[in-house]
Amino acid sequence: QKEVEQNSGPLSVPEGAIASLNCTYSDRGSQSFFWYRQYSGKSPELIMSIYSNGDKEDGRFTAQLNKASQYVSLLIRDSQPSDSATYLCAVETTSGTYKYIFGTGTRLKVLA
Amino acid sequence: NAGVTQTPKFRILKIGQSMTLQCTQDMNHNYMYWYRQDPGMGLKLIYYSVGAGITDKGEVPNGYNVSRSTTEDFPLRLELAAPSQTSVYFCASSRAPPGASGLYNEQFFGPGTRLTVL
Repeated sequence: QKEVEQNSGPLSVPEGAIASLNCTYSDRGSQSFFWYRQYSGKSPELIMSIYSNGDKEDGRFTAQLNKASQYVSLLIRDSQPSDSATYLCAVETTSGTYKYIFGTGTRLKVLA
Repeated sequence: NAGVTQTPKFRILKIGQSMTLQCTQDMNHNYMYWYRQDPGMGLKLIYYSVGAGITDKGEVPNGYNVSRSTTEDFPLRLELAAPSQTSVYFCASSRAPPGASGLYNEQFFGPGTRLTVL
C-alpha cells in the first residue's frame, strides 16, 4: 500500500460547482496534513493545513480530516477556471525519521 | 521577504558532469529540504537539514550531497550526473519540523530548478 494515495484524475467540474479531492494515508501516527496547489511548471503552494479531526474552512476551501478512517479531503466551493491545477496531499509521517510524504496529486480541471 | 530562492532555473548537463543547485531562504527557518519531482509523480525527499551543520538523508539520496554551513543556504551537489537525475528540483523550508503539529511546520517552496542530463 502506498503511504499517501490520491486519484490522479483529471477531475473535471463545471465552473461554480464544488470540487472534492480525496487523499488516504497509511501512517496512523500522522498528525499534520497539508494541501498544496501546483500549477503546471510552478512550485507547490500551500493551500490548507489541518491537524485535528473535523473541518477547517478558509474562504472557498474546506479541509476535512478523519484520522480513524485515515483520510483527508479538500473541498473547493464555487470552483473557478483559475483553480485548475494539480493538488498535492502531504502527510507528516512518523515512520523512521519525521518527514513529509507527498501523494502524486490530483489534476483538477474547472470548465468555464 | 523573498522567501525561498533557487538558482539556476534551468540547466542541461552532460553525463558525468557535476553541478551545485543553490537554495537560499530569508525567513530564518531552521529546517530545509531538497525534493525532486519526476513527471506525474509526487515529491521525493532527497536530503534535509535541521539546522546549520546538521543534515540527513531522505528517501532518494544516492548521487547527491548537501552541506549547510549557514541557516540561510542549503546547496545540493550532483556528482557524476546521470540521465536518471533528470527532474525538477525543489528546495523548501519550514520554521518547525514535521511532528510539530500546528506549530509552523508548513513548508514553503522555492521556484524549482529544471535539470536535464543528456
